[in-house]
Amino acid sequence: AQSVSQHNHHVILSEAASLELGCNYSYGGTVNLFWYVQYPGQHLQLLLKYFSGDPLVKGIKGFEAEFIKSKFSFNLRKPSVQWSDTAEYFCAVRVSGGYQKVTFGTGTKLQVIP
Amino acid sequence: SAVISQKPSRDICQRGTSLTIQCQVDSQVTMMFWYRQQPGQSLTLIATANQGSEATYESGFVIDKFPISRPNLTFSTLTVSNMSPEDSSIYLCSVGPDSSNYGYTFGSGTRLTVV
Repeated sequence: AQSVSQHNHHVILSEAASLELGCNYSYGGTVNLFWYVQYPGQHLQLLLKYFSGDPLVKGIKGFEAEFIKSKFSFNLRKPSVQWSDTAEYFCAVRVSGGYQKVTFGTGTKLQVIP
Repeated sequence: SAVISQKPSRDICQRGTSLTIQCQVDSQVTMMFWYRQQPGQSLTLIATANQGSEATYESGFVIDKFPISRPNLTFSTLTVSNMSPEDSSIYLCSVGPDSSNYGYTFGSGTRLTVV
C-alpha cells in the first residue's frame, strides 16, 4: 500500500522567505501526486497536482512542485511567501489508474510572520 | 469542480449516541469518500461509497461503527454510531477525481465533539 511522509511538521518563516516543503511517497508503480492547502477555518483546496509530463508543476498562488521519480519525492516550493500563505499543507498520493483512494501525509503547518 | 454541502458543520454529542452526517454534491459523481481528521493529525480514509453497492471500508473501520448510505449519485451519509470521546474528530466527505482538473473536492467538514 502506498504511504506519504512529510518531514516538516511545523515551519515558521518570515515574509519574503523562500519555502520548500518535503514530501516523499512509497510506491513502486505509477502515481498521481497532489498538494492540498487548508487555510485556517476553511476546507481543503487543491494547490497543484502531477499526473504525467513535465515533472515541474505550477499551481495556484505562485506555488510549484517538482516530481523526482528516482527520489520518490514531490516537494512543494514557493520563492517568496506571504503572510496569507499561513496554512496547513498536505501532500497526497494516488495509485495511477487503479482504485481511486488518495493517501495523505501528516501535513505541515506553515506560519508566516509579517 | 463539484461543490459539496456537508452538514451539520459541528455538533456536540453525548457518549453512546449516534450522529448522521450528510454530504450533498451539486453534480452526479461516481465515487464519494469519507475521511476522518483527528486533532493534529492528517486525513484518514474511512470508506469509499459507490452508488448502488456496499461501501468499501479501510482497515480499522467497520460498517457497524460507521454505516454509510449512498442512495443516489449526489448524496451520501455517514453515521458515527455508539460514540465515545475517541470519535471526536472532523469528518469530511470528498468526491473525485474531477473530470477537468483530476483533483478531489472536499466538503467543509463536520467537527464532532463527544462528551
